[in-house]
Amino acid sequence: EVQLVETGGGLIQPGGSLRLSCAASGFTVSRNYMNWVRQAPGKGLEWVSVIYSGGTTYYGDSVKGRFTISRDNSKNTLYLQMNSLRAEDTAVYYCARALGSSSCIYFDYWGQGILVTVSS
Amino acid sequence: SYELTQPPSVSVSPGQTASITCSGDRLGDKYGCWYQQKPGQSPVLVIYENNKRPSGIPERFSGSNSGNTATLTISGTQATDEADYYCQAWDSSTACVFGGGTKLTVL
Repeated sequence: EVQLVETGGGLIQPGGSLRLSCAASGFTVSRNYMNWVRQAPGKGLEWVSVIYSGGTTYYGDSVKGRFTISRDNSKNTLYLQMNSLRAEDTAVYYCARALGSSSCIYFDYWGQGILVTVSS
Repeated sequence: SYELTQPPSVSVSPGQTASITCSGDRLGDKYGCWYQQKPGQSPVLVIYENNKRPSGIPERFSGSNSGNTATLTISGTQATDEADYYCQAWDSSTACVFGGGTKLTVL
């Protein structure tokens, strides 16, 4: 059974750093496209970042230069290092596995989400 | 950057057909998919590759994509279908894009 479990969220002051983890089971993280998607309170879904199976990474414009996606193959775990956090980064962060290729990529499994609150 | 536009809300009576649109420049040249999200829950994939249903998704959910518009259609809408629905596409320059979401009300 595929499972994704996010940890590492919480309350952080503006300008601070936080690292989210997503422990995967039932499949191999390194063989899939793994993503972070966030949802601000009462708002819609916003894609944050992807790491492809080959290791290439991409980021949304709002987090580029501040967030870093990575994975630990030995732990089958995905990470999101978040630096220079701002109030507008406050959101539930979801880890999601993507399937497909080229322009046909979709998310078939999602974690339960973890809340990150950026506030003084 | 690429954008997808959805109506903020759609209302439907039980048993009727609900249609939720998603507009984007030449969206029909890409593949569209749809997610259902109920309050306090993670999104669930209901349509992928424009018109395919994942295992476990009822047949009343269908999709289409042509020109600049993708459409999610729910036939015989049930009260349990009340939720937020998001379209999503993958663009070569922007990577992943979500629509703003549509709140479906069944009344």
